[in-house]
Amino acid sequence: QKEVEQDPGPLSVPEGAIVSLNCTYSNSAFQYFMWYRQYSRKGPELLMYTYSSGNKEDGRFTAQVDKSSKYISLFIRDSQPSDSATYLCAMSDDNYGQNFVFGPGTRLSVLP
Amino acid sequence: GAGVSQSPSNKVTEKGKDVELRCDPISGHTALYWYRQSLGQGLEFLIYFQGNSAPDKSGLPSDRFSAERTGGSVSTLTIQRTQQEDSAVYLCASSPYRGSGYTFGSGTRLTVV
Repeated sequence: QKEVEQDPGPLSVPEGAIVSLNCTYSNSAFQYFMWYRQYSRKGPELLMYTYSSGNKEDGRFTAQVDKSSKYISLFIRDSQPSDSATYLCAMSDDNYGQNFVFGPGTRLSVLP
Repeated sequence: GAGVSQSPSNKVTEKGKDVELRCDPISGHTALYWYRQSLGQGLEFLIYFQGNSAPDKSGLPSDRFSAERTGGSVSTLTIQRTQQEDSAVYLCASSPYRGSGYTFGSGTRLTVV
C-alpha cells in the first residue's frame, strides 16, 4: 500500500459543478496537509495549507481533513474551465518541505 | 526574478551521457529543494539546501545524482551516466525559510533515449 493514495482520474465535470478531490493516507503521524494545483507543463502551485483536522476555506476552495479516517478532501465550488488541472495532495508529520509525501495527483477537466 | 527559473525546459539525452539541470531560485530564498516527478507518480524528494548548511541528500536515488548550490543561490543538479529510468520532470522549489510554503519552477523535462 502506498503511503498516500489518490484517484488519478481523469475526472470530468460540467462548468458550475461542485468538485470533490480526495486523498487517503496510512501514516497517522501526518498533521500538515497541502493541496497543489498543477497546470500542464508547469510546476505545482500551492492552493491550501492546513494543520491537523478541520476545515479551511479560501474563496471557492475548501480543504477538509479527517485525521480519524486518514482522509483529506478538496472541494471546488462553482467550478470553472480554468480549474482544469492536476491536483496533488501532500502531507507530512512536520512542517519541513523535504518530508512531505505527495500523492500522484488527480486530473480534473471542467467542461464549458 | 519574480519566480523560480529552471533551465533547460526540455532535455533529450542519450543513455550514458551526463546532464546538468539548473535552478535559479527567488532572490532571498534561503531554502531550495529538488524534486522528481514521474508519470503517474507523486513528487519524489531528491535534495534540500538551507543557507550554508550541509544539504540533506537523503532523497538522491543513487550516487549518479549530485547537486550543488553556489553562493547560496543558483543550484545545479547533475545526473551522471543517465539511464532510461531517469526520464522524468525535475522540479526545483524555493522558500524564504525552512517550514514556509514554497514556490516551484516549471521544471526540466528530461528524456533519456
